[in-house]
Amino acid sequence: AQTVTQSQPEMSVQEAETVTLSCTYDTSESNYYLFWYKQPPSRQMILVIRQEAYKQQNATENRFSVNFQKAAKSFSLKISDSQLGDTAMYFCAFMKHQGGTSYGKLTFGQGTILTVHP
Amino acid sequence: EAQVTQNPRYLITVTGKKLTVTCSQNMNHEYMSWYRQDPGLGLRQIYYSMNVEVTDKGDVPEGYKVSRKEKRNFPLILESPSPNQTSLYFCASSLRGNYGYTFGSGTRLTVV
Repeated sequence: AQTVTQSQPEMSVQEAETVTLSCTYDTSESNYYLFWYKQPPSRQMILVIRQEAYKQQNATENRFSVNFQKAAKSFSLKISDSQLGDTAMYFCAFMKHQGGTSYGKLTFGQGTILTVHP
Repeated sequence: EAQVTQNPRYLITVTGKKLTVTCSQNMNHEYMSWYRQDPGLGLRQIYYSMNVEVTDKGDVPEGYKVSRKEKRNFPLILESPSPNQTSLYFCASSLRGNYGYTFGSGTRLTVV
C-alpha cells in the first residue's frame, strides 16, 4: 500500500515571500502521478498542480512549482510571491499509473496548514 | 457550470438513523469517489466507482454503502450511523483519474 507523509503540520510565510511545503511518499511502483490540492477556509478542494513520475521535468503552474525527486520519493511544492489568498491547507496526493482500477485510488497526506501574513 | 454537487452541506443526525448523502456530477465523468476528512488524518477514501455498477472499497469502507446506478450519481449511504462517523465528507469525480479529481463542496456530518 502507498503512504504519503507531510511532516509539516503548519507553516507561515510573509506576503510576497517564497515558501516550500514538503511531501514524501512510499511506493514500490515505478509509474505514478502526484498531486497537490489546496483547501482554503471555504473547504473547497482545488487541484493546484500535477506531476507525472515518468517525466523528468518539474511541473509548474504560474507561481506554483514542484521539486520532484523520484529516487528520494520526495515531492515538494514551492509557492513564489505568496499572496494572502494562498492561505489554506495543502494536501499532497499519490495515484498509481496502471489505468482502470488504479485511477480510482487517490491517497492523501495529512495536510499542511499554510498561513500567509501581510 | 461543470461541477460536483453534494447535498446536504450540513447534517446533524442521531445514532442509528439511516441517512443518504447525495452526489451528482454534470461532466460525464467515469470515475467517482467518496472521502472523509478528519483532523490530522487528511482525506481517506471510503469507496470509489470506475463506471456504472462498478464500485470498490477504499481504505475505510466499514459502515458505509454506495451505489452507481447512473453515471452522474454516486450516493453515500450510512445504514446505522455512529458517532465515529462524524466527519467532513467529500465526493469527487474525474474523467480519467490521472488528470486529477473535481471535488464537491463537502458535507459536514455530526452523529450524536
